Amino acid sequence: EAQVTQNPRYLITVTGKKLTVTCSQNMNHEYMSWYRQDPGLGLRQIYYSMNVEVTDKGDVPEGYKVSRKEKRNFPLILESPSPNQTSLYFCASSLGTGGNYEQYFGPGTRLTVT
Amino acid sequence: AQKVTQAQTEISVVEKEDVTLDCVYETRDTTYYLFWYKQPPSGELVFLIRRNSFDEQNEISGRYSWNFQKSTSSFNFTITASQVVDSAVYFCALSNNQGGKLIFGQGTELSVKP
Repeated sequence: EAQVTQNPRYLITVTGKKLTVTCSQNMNHEYMSWYRQDPGLGLRQIYYSMNVEVTDKGDVPEGYKVSRKEKRNFPLILESPSPNQTSLYFCASSLGTGGNYEQYFGPGTRLTVT
Repeated sequence: AQKVTQAQTEISVVEKEDVTLDCVYETRDTTYYLFWYKQPPSGELVFLIRRNSFDEQNEISGRYSWNFQKSTSSFNFTITASQVVDSAVYFCALSNNQGGKLIFGQGTELSVKP
């Protein structure tokens, strides 16, 4: 089954404790990205990757890191989480860039930083 | 700059009523794509429709219909004879033809009461 998976689905952590949210897709997609969803703000892009070893900042990259060592994986790293990073996070992938390519979203990861 | 505005934060209707969710967008691109996503209480994002800027035909899918009007930069979504299962947050989004980023509106929370 074609899908985007994220782990963990729920995470409660404390300020400053490094964490990684994994994202994996099994569709051989070139493009992957991370979004965060906050009430009243919709979803905003954090980082994206056009291909292996190619990553770039989205609209709200501060406090996050990403890597793309393999085509299928695109982990989101929070080196020193803070309470303002409490949010619902979505990973997405698509075959290519451009709006004519359908984006597939993962199930979401709900992160709480205390 | 690209922007999507969903002015209705929350809408509450009684089952079987028709309801229209508004979406207004801003872009300088001539080629762009518009989307609607549904986010049920379980949290995942469900793709509903994609429309490119050259196709202004209205679309109907069962109880759902979409009205795309370039003259007013709007892409409104109507649910006919609403049902309790339609209760969700609905997002309108915009993408251009180069990048893979989706620009989301703030979302409209629809509550359908029995």
